[in-house]
Amino acid sequence: GAGVSQTPSNKVTEKGKYVELRCDPISGHTALYWYRQSLGQGPEFLIYFQGTGAADDSGLPNDRFFAVRPEGSVSTLKIQRTERGDSAVYLCASSSPPGTANTGELFFGEGSRLTVL
Amino acid sequence: AQSVTQLDSQVPVFEEAPVELRCNYSSSVSVYLFWYVQYPNQGLQLLLKYLSGSTLVESINGFEAEFNKSQTSFHLRKPSVHISDTAEYFCAVSRNQAGTALIFGKGTTLSVSS
Repeated sequence: GAGVSQTPSNKVTEKGKYVELRCDPISGHTALYWYRQSLGQGPEFLIYFQGTGAADDSGLPNDRFFAVRPEGSVSTLKIQRTERGDSAVYLCASSSPPGTANTGELFFGEGSRLTVL
Repeated sequence: AQSVTQLDSQVPVFEEAPVELRCNYSSSVSVYLFWYVQYPNQGLQLLLKYLSGSTLVESINGFEAEFNKSQTSFHLRKPSVHISDTAEYFCAVSRNQAGTALIFGKGTTLSVSS
């Protein structure tokens, strides 16, 4: 697609439920990132994929959070046993390979707003 | 550890006035610095970046930022703002040019009124 696509745009769930958020990056972008943005805060890094593998998952808050990118394109962020504190906008971004045009630029999707009741 | 501090959470200005959005960072390693902008109901997008070379970098819509190593700052400026510049602005630092593990500030809301 032309840009980074995230679905769903809005998700309301109950505490304890399981949630999946999907990200479809820009075609040809090898790197994919997940961030979380809470109200009044800047985006907080969660995990970064280079190809199919997670190159850096140091930002995942705990083992309830997991992300996959099985074919090196679409990624899914999975949250188990959701808690009210997980409510936030989850942002996905992708970037082109190093050395290409737009080095250092992350292209963000519009985010998935998660509300845990 | 690296961190970014945006000193102003909200900056209200009148149209055609100059503006400065302040950003300070801390890092023990070489840094690459970015400003991202989020217009209402849109995703974050890159405004400008400093990777190396000239310390003054410019965007296509008239913003500029200067990397000041001694003051660990990367303030964003525009000599004359437009209503359409109303947005939230985020300063970010990265340990590498690929932009992995960007660390963002809390953001500054710029509100331009007529």
